[in-house]
Amino acid sequence: RKEVEQDPGPFNVPEGATVAFNCTYSNSASQSFFWYRQDCRKEPKLLMSVYSSGNEDGRFTAQLNRASQYISLLIRDSKLSDSATYLCVVLRGGNEKLTFGTGTRLTIIP
Amino acid sequence: DVKVTQSSRYLVKRTGEKVFLECVQDMDHENMFWYRQDPGLGLRLIYFSYDVKMKEKGDIPEGYSVSREKKERFSLILESASTNQTSMYLCASSFGGGGEKLFFGSGTQLSVL
Repeated sequence: RKEVEQDPGPFNVPEGATVAFNCTYSNSASQSFFWYRQDCRKEPKLLMSVYSSGNEDGRFTAQLNRASQYISLLIRDSKLSDSATYLCVVLRGGNEKLTFGTGTRLTIIP
Repeated sequence: DVKVTQSSRYLVKRTGEKVFLECVQDMDHENMFWYRQDPGLGLRLIYFSYDVKMKEKGDIPEGYSVSREKKERFSLILESASTNQTSMYLCASSFGGGGEKLFFGSGTQLSVL
C-alpha cells in the first residue's frame, strides 16, 4: 500500500461548481499534512496546510480525519485558474521527511 | 520572494556520463532537498541536507550523491548516468523544523540517451 494515495483523476468540472477530493495516508503516526498545487510544467507550490480543526482560505477548505486517515480539499465556486494538479503531502512521524502523493488532476471547464 | 534557482531547465546527457545538477537558494534556508518527479510515481526524495556538509539519504538515493559545501548551494551528482535516471529533477529549500513550507526550483528535465 502506498504511503499517500490520491485519485489521479482527471476531474473535469464546470466553472462555478464545487469540487472535492480526498487523500488517504497509511502511517497513523503522520504528523502534518499539506496540499500543494502544481501547474502544468511548473514547480509545486504550497496551497495550504491542513490543521486538525480544519481550515479555510477563501474558496478552499481543507480537513483532516485522523480516525479514517484521510485529508480532503474542497474548492467552492471553481475558477478556470484552479485548473492544476493538487498534491497531497504528509509529514511522516519521526524523521521529518515529506511524502508526496501522485496528485489529482483538476480541469475547470468554461 | 524566496528564489530557488536550478542551473539548467533542460539537459541531455549520454549513458555513463557524470552529471552535475546545481541548485542555489537566496533565503538562508537551513534545509535543502532533491526530488525526482516521474509520471504516475509523483515526487520521490533522493537526498536532503539540514546543514552545510551534512547529507541524508532519501527514499531513492541509489545512483546519486550530493554535495553541500555552502549553505546556499546543494548539488546533485549522477556518477554514471543511466537511462532510468531520465526524469524531472526538482530542488527545494525550507527554513527548518520539519513540515515547513518547501520552496521549489523550476526543475531540470534530464534526458539520458
